[in-house]
Amino acid sequence: DTGVSQDPRHKITKRGQNVTFRCDPISEHNRLYWYRQTLGQGPEFLTYFQNEAQLEKSRLLSDRFSAERPKGSFSTLEIQRTEQGDSAMYLCASSLVVPGGEQFFGPGTRLTVL
Amino acid sequence: AQKVTQAQTEISVVEKEDVTLDCVYETRDTTYYLFWYKQPPSGELVFLIRRNSFDEQNEISGRYSWNFQKSTSSFNFTITASQVVDSAVYFCALTGGGADGLTFGKGTHLIIQP
Repeated sequence: DTGVSQDPRHKITKRGQNVTFRCDPISEHNRLYWYRQTLGQGPEFLTYFQNEAQLEKSRLLSDRFSAERPKGSFSTLEIQRTEQGDSAMYLCASSLVVPGGEQFFGPGTRLTVL
Repeated sequence: AQKVTQAQTEISVVEKEDVTLDCVYETRDTTYYLFWYKQPPSGELVFLIRRNSFDEQNEISGRYSWNFQKSTSSFNFTITASQVVDSAVYFCALTGGGADGLTFGKGTHLIIQP
């Protein structure tokens, strides 16, 4: 399967703990995006990378959220000091470097903060 | 700021009926791209179509068709002869000419009853 993959698929944590999610994009895609989706809502854009450069991060929800893509391949999204309000589905997508290129999404990581 | 409105929260029809999902968007960009995604119960977002703002030609793909009208800022999606497998949440999304993330609507939950 050469689609976008995410790990883990589910994560249950206690409030105050740090969590990290991984995304592996489609191999030829240089752009990688992170979104958050809460129940009954559409995905909400968080940040994106072109190769290893993080070109937009003002939409990250707070300074507890950070993302990296150190070698321009896989990416990680970290949430520090998790809160119950962080419970959501975290989606990763990738695309080619073309204007308005279609984004292909992974299966998501469902985070539950107790 | 960009905005996508999907006024229909939920639609329920009987199998084989035609159904249209509405999407209205707002943007100040002269170049922009519109998308439709399907999110079945399994949760993974599936790309359906991409249109750019310069191409108002309607498109048909099998039982699916899309009607893009810049004059009314709408990008509606019609499923002809609906099937139970079409049951899902459908999202309309928008991005500008840059490489920013997608702005999604809240989605329309389509229920096809046998």
